Amino acid sequence: DAKTTQPPSMDCAEGRAANLPCNHSTISGNEYVYWYRQIHSQGPQYIIHGLKNNETNEMASLIITEDRKSSTLILPHATLRDTAVYYCIVRVVRDSSYKLIFGSGTRLLVRP
Amino acid sequence: NAGVTQTPKFQVLKTGQSMTLQCAQDMNHNSMYWYRQDPGMGLRLIYYSASEGTTDKGEVPNGYNVSRLNKREFSLRLESAAPSQTSVYFCASSGVTGFYGYTFGSGTRLTVV
Repeated sequence: DAKTTQPPSMDCAEGRAANLPCNHSTISGNEYVYWYRQIHSQGPQYIIHGLKNNETNEMASLIITEDRKSSTLILPHATLRDTAVYYCIVRVVRDSSYKLIFGSGTRLLVRP
Repeated sequence: NAGVTQTPKFQVLKTGQSMTLQCAQDMNHNSMYWYRQDPGMGLRLIYYSASEGTTDKGEVPNGYNVSRLNKREFSLRLESAAPSQTSVYFCASSGVTGFYGYTFGSGTRLTVV
């Protein structure tokens, strides 16, 4: 199973872009990269996912390198409510089920 | 839309007691999951059910049992609670492939003394 590596913590100023990196050097060709966040011990919240093309939705953008060994989640204008733990996850497949295995994530602090 | 509902929200057990955590989803999802989260840690998968009638072990299944009662409900049972099972338990559900992400419940905070 592909593993991910994320910095344990980051911070950014409110209103600026937050760029959260993730390394997944052992990812296989059919595995997707997913991003979730967890605000203050609530249940994790789905943000975005992608395979090899860059993706954008109303919450964030996902940039995946051409070799797919790393990706970056971008929050274009971070607010205080974006303070959370962000998880980068590679989706594994076993027996036709699709499990998400969480790592320890990046704790993002958005400063006023 | 309720999404994923977990009961109870809080529970204190004595060592050796048993209890069942309940989870129900109203999104017609095929797959359901139980995770635990220890303080300062990420989530770890305990058991999952890819579809009604099937269950499989995750990363940390020891000390737990599960039942997929029907398509909506997936329960987690602790037969003989231990202090090491003090944790926050999250239930989640997804469509048949989980492609569009999981929906998580708000969690059950369990303390075993």
